Amino acid sequence: QSALTQPASVSGSPGQSITVSCTGTRSDIGTYNYVSWYQQHPGKAPKLMIYEVSNRPSAVPDRFSGSKSGNTASLTISGLQAEDEADYYCSSYTTSSTLVFGGGTKVTVL
Amino acid sequence: QVQLQESGPGLVKASETLSVTCTVSGGSFSSYYWSWIRQPPGKGLEWIGYMHNSGTTFYNPSLKSRVTISVDTSKNQFSLKVSSVTAADTAVYYCAKVNGGLQTDYWGQGTLVTVSS
Repeated sequence: QSALTQPASVSGSPGQSITVSCTGTRSDIGTYNYVSWYQQHPGKAPKLMIYEVSNRPSAVPDRFSGSKSGNTASLTISGLQAEDEADYYCSSYTTSSTLVFGGGTKVTVL
Repeated sequence: QVQLQESGPGLVKASETLSVTCTVSGGSFSSYYWSWIRQPPGKGLEWIGYMHNSGTTFYNPSLKSRVTISVDTSKNQFSLKVSSVTAADTAVYYCAKVNGGLQTDYWGQGTLVTVSS
């Protein structure tokens, strides 16, 4: 299975909105709504931010949102804050009953 | 609140077998998938595989020939073995819980395993 495709980096100023894309295939994102997004700060374990395309765990701020169109999922951070600077990974369930991650996107707050 | 804690050797010699164990506390061990993910230094996450407590396992096709995941429900533990390791297997190994919605909702802190020549 091939890793999902994410941009290497995305940046924005505080208060702005940014979007991170995650492109897969009909064997993963295109078939299932089991797309998740994870935030990882340096030296820390990843943290679940979005699940099943657009759902947020209760502790995650509502400035984080997710969506999907065809084989591409997206994570949007509205009202960007300094603490949002981190690496972000998408993940999807696949038709082989496995999971696959994206290569990761470094989000920089300018 | 589910908590997961990895324990591993820290250092493994090339060509040998890497073994890491995850102890789960604070929640039911049943009805979920228990997963291993790794992250080489400075690189991204790689899904290794997962096992349902019923014994059903699924592995990353690129690692399938060298990986075994097993579970010991009596100890609330699950384990990972990777055989014939090389320097490319040097990584932080995370154990994690995957719930019914197939999201990885709880992660261990990770344990660094270095393969030496």
